[in-house]
Amino acid sequence: AQSVTQLGSHVSVSEGALVLLRCNYSSSVPPYLFWYVQYPNQGLQLLLKYTSAATLVKGINGFEAEFKKSETSFHLTKPSAHMSDAAEYFCAVSDPNNAGNMLTFGGGTRLMVKP
Amino acid sequence: DTAVSQTPKYLVTQMGNDKSIKCEQNLGHDTMYWYKQDSKKFLKIMFSYNNKELIINETVPNRFSPKSPDKAHLNLHINSLELGDSAVYFCASSQDWSPPLHFGNGTRLTVT
Repeated sequence: AQSVTQLGSHVSVSEGALVLLRCNYSSSVPPYLFWYVQYPNQGLQLLLKYTSAATLVKGINGFEAEFKKSETSFHLTKPSAHMSDAAEYFCAVSDPNNAGNMLTFGGGTRLMVKP
Repeated sequence: DTAVSQTPKYLVTQMGNDKSIKCEQNLGHDTMYWYKQDSKKFLKIMFSYNNKELIINETVPNRFSPKSPDKAHLNLHINSLELGDSAVYFCASSQDWSPPLHFGNGTRLTVT
């Protein structure tokens, strides 16, 4: 079984400050890991994914995440927050050996950006 | 052009009714998904489907059934609606069973 824990359901940063959204996973096999963003009243958009290649993954909109096996973490970062980054962010895990790519999502973190 | 479109955007209905939500993607993808997002924003996969195979999350009641008239469509049928079915339902698509890349904007279902 797999699970994802996102520490902090709400994170508030000032515009221009570092964004750090935390994600820890549990998996019995080497996982695939993902970050999605959801803007209000919209569907999810894939930000980036880790599929066992480079451990530092760069995504869209200046976001990146680092896979740390020893810490079972896949935290999302961005050096400088922008007002348009305010949204809900979801971390997800999947078992690459399972058919159907059934992602297991974390509970989400709402990022608020203050001017 | 919208990549993944769902209709209706809002659906209000009474317990016991049967309803459908439509999903269409114009990306040429061969894999489509249905997800349920509850009031606490928790997302759960319901179905994964391509033209060869349907993968069902075992926790989904059999009142829910996906129907695919063609590769670009995956509709969701729900029989005997219950209060607990109230949620936002998202359709998504990808290629070759890869994780979902594109999501629709969701259908907010309210069961009264």
